[in-house]
Amino acid sequence: GQSLEQPSEVTAVEGAIVQINCTYQTSGFYGLSWYQQHDGGAPTFLSYNALDGLEETGRFSSFLSRSDSYGYLLLQELQMKDSASYFCAALSGAGNNRKLIWGLGTSLAVNP
Amino acid sequence: SQTIHQWPATLVQPVGSPLSLECTVEGTSNPNLYWYRQAAGRGLQLLFYSVGIGQISSEVPQNLSASRPQDRQFILSSKKLLLSDSGFYLCAWTPGGAYGYTFGSGTRLTVV
Repeated sequence: GQSLEQPSEVTAVEGAIVQINCTYQTSGFYGLSWYQQHDGGAPTFLSYNALDGLEETGRFSSFLSRSDSYGYLLLQELQMKDSASYFCAALSGAGNNRKLIWGLGTSLAVNP
Repeated sequence: SQTIHQWPATLVQPVGSPLSLECTVEGTSNPNLYWYRQAAGRGLQLLFYSVGIGQISSEVPQNLSASRPQDRQFILSSKKLLLSDSGFYLCAWTPGGAYGYTFGSGTRLTVV
């Protein structure tokens, strides 16, 4: 079957760096996405990696290794507002029927 | 610019009652549309997706159905709600085959 694994919870302090790992097992893999969801809110798109390597967007970076079926989200200079759930999701399928396969999410708690 | 509207924001319905949730997208044409459900503290479960008018793919056989009567309208329905239908329902769209999903604000459904 198709699945993604990520840690259920991560705790860090303000100003620190945290890495959230994601391993995936899917067929017809195109790329790995990351989404952020605050309590009570809808997920918002953070990043997408189609190729191996690191993509940087401000304080957030995302990495993909297709050969290892592995990726991570790196959050730097953590702020209290970064406390949220983070989901990795693999885009897979064929043609116009591509869709996301979702991990169960990582709850990040940023403490003072 | 593109926007997605989803309503209502919250809904409390008795067991056995019907359900109709509506989602519309503005500012684009022929989007891929998705209905997700999220149980409290859990990941996203894909319920239905549509790549065009009248084209519905069901991911999980259950008490729900979906329809796409117009290009930018996606409706989630049930004839008789069950307690297990409670959850956070999210509509999302993406340009066909693209990777960045945009979510509506969600409907929190409680079946009592």
